[in-house]
Amino acid sequence: DVKVTQSSRYLVKRTGEKVFLECVQDMDHENMFWYRQDPGLGLRLIYFSYDVKMKEKGDIPEGYSVSREKKERFSLILESASTNQTSMYLCASSPRSTEAFFGQGTRLTVV
Amino acid sequence: AQTVTQSQPEMSVQEAETVTLSCTYDTSENNYYLFWYKQPPSRQMILVIRQEAYKQQNATENRFSVNFQKAAKSFSLKISDSQLGDTAMYFCAFMDTGRRALTFGSGTRLQVQP
Repeated sequence: DVKVTQSSRYLVKRTGEKVFLECVQDMDHENMFWYRQDPGLGLRLIYFSYDVKMKEKGDIPEGYSVSREKKERFSLILESASTNQTSMYLCASSPRSTEAFFGQGTRLTVV
Repeated sequence: AQTVTQSQPEMSVQEAETVTLSCTYDTSENNYYLFWYKQPPSRQMILVIRQEAYKQQNATENRFSVNFQKAAKSFSLKISDSQLGDTAMYFCAFMDTGRRALTFGSGTRLQVQP
């Protein structure tokens, strides 16, 4: 079974803190994605990556950055957390053009 | 840019009955994939069914089937013999073969009543 693991299920951070959300997949997938999920808005794409050290902006990249130093790991970084970044964050991976496999999500609260 | 629309925020169905969830999408692409994902209270996104746009035959997976109307850009999900375990958020999603990232609808919350 494909496994996508997110480092935290729940996280509480203070405004202005630098926040790292980590994601690891164990199936050698080329593609990795970060989404945020908000009620009534579905999942929105923040950043994605097709290969090591490459990244592409998604639909809502403002306030976020990413890092992919190894194929299996894709990190989402909030440089200076703000309350409007309180959300559910979902990581996913996929092998080329096919369905994505998701982690269990990190519910981030910024206070 | 592609958009995916789910016009039913919430639906309810009796156990053992059939329910249909609606989804429409907008794209200028000709080659793409469509998906239905389920998200139960555990938050784990689970793939329910997948449809390739070049295939005319509608996909089926056990109690789940789709009605794919390419010209109308419609992709509805039918759940037959609904079970309590089907209670979840259901998301319709689109992927074009170039971008490889999923575009999601806003979701439909399905409640199966005993």
